[in-house]
Amino acid sequence: DGGITQSPKYLFRKEGQNVTLSCEQNLNHDAMYWYRQDPGQGLRLIYYSQIVNDFQKGDIAEGYSVSREKKESFPLTVTSAQKNPTAFYLCASSIPAKHYGYTFGSGTRLTVV
Amino acid sequence: GESVGLHLPTLSVQEGDNSIINCAYSNSASDYFIWYKQESGKGPQFIIDIRSNMDKRQGQRVTVLLNKTVKHLSLQIAATQPGDSAVYFCAENIPPGRGSTLGRLYFGRGTQLTVWP
Repeated sequence: DGGITQSPKYLFRKEGQNVTLSCEQNLNHDAMYWYRQDPGQGLRLIYYSQIVNDFQKGDIAEGYSVSREKKESFPLTVTSAQKNPTAFYLCASSIPAKHYGYTFGSGTRLTVV
Repeated sequence: GESVGLHLPTLSVQEGDNSIINCAYSNSASDYFIWYKQESGKGPQFIIDIRSNMDKRQGQRVTVLLNKTVKHLSLQIAATQPGDSAVYFCAENIPPGRGSTLGRLYFGRGTQLTVWP
């Protein structure tokens, strides 16, 4: 079955560490997205990528970095520069201009310890 | 310091009743709207969508109504069941504009629906 896989489901980070969240899709979607979700708030866009080797900052990109070396993969690195990284992170994908709706992964919950 | 989490709007209904969840959107240029359901600890799942040239669309037990005059969207769930308990998000798609080649989905804060047996 096609879908989006995020791993790990739970991740703990020590102060000053960089951590990388994985997102893989086999839907053959061109566009991929990373969102951050905090309690009681909507989804906020961190980064997005329309095609391989290209990505753009979203609304809250500071302290995060991404890469898009393969169509199927869009990993997110939460760097030590992100001062409040504890949140639920969601990856999504879509076919721009053909299907506006996004397909979401099951999320990664990141906690700073 | 730590920010305090905001409380979501909530709706509590009895099993078997109909539920209506409302959403106000912001941009008159939005051309497409989606409702998502998110269960605790999971990613959002697509429920139903509607294009801006429509006023109403029906699915299985769900209906979406669009009022472009007041920029309002609603989701109606018929015969609500305990399995419908979740957070429901509306999203609006704003088409590509000046300086952007990608349409964007913007998400509302969500409404927590609780169904009591």
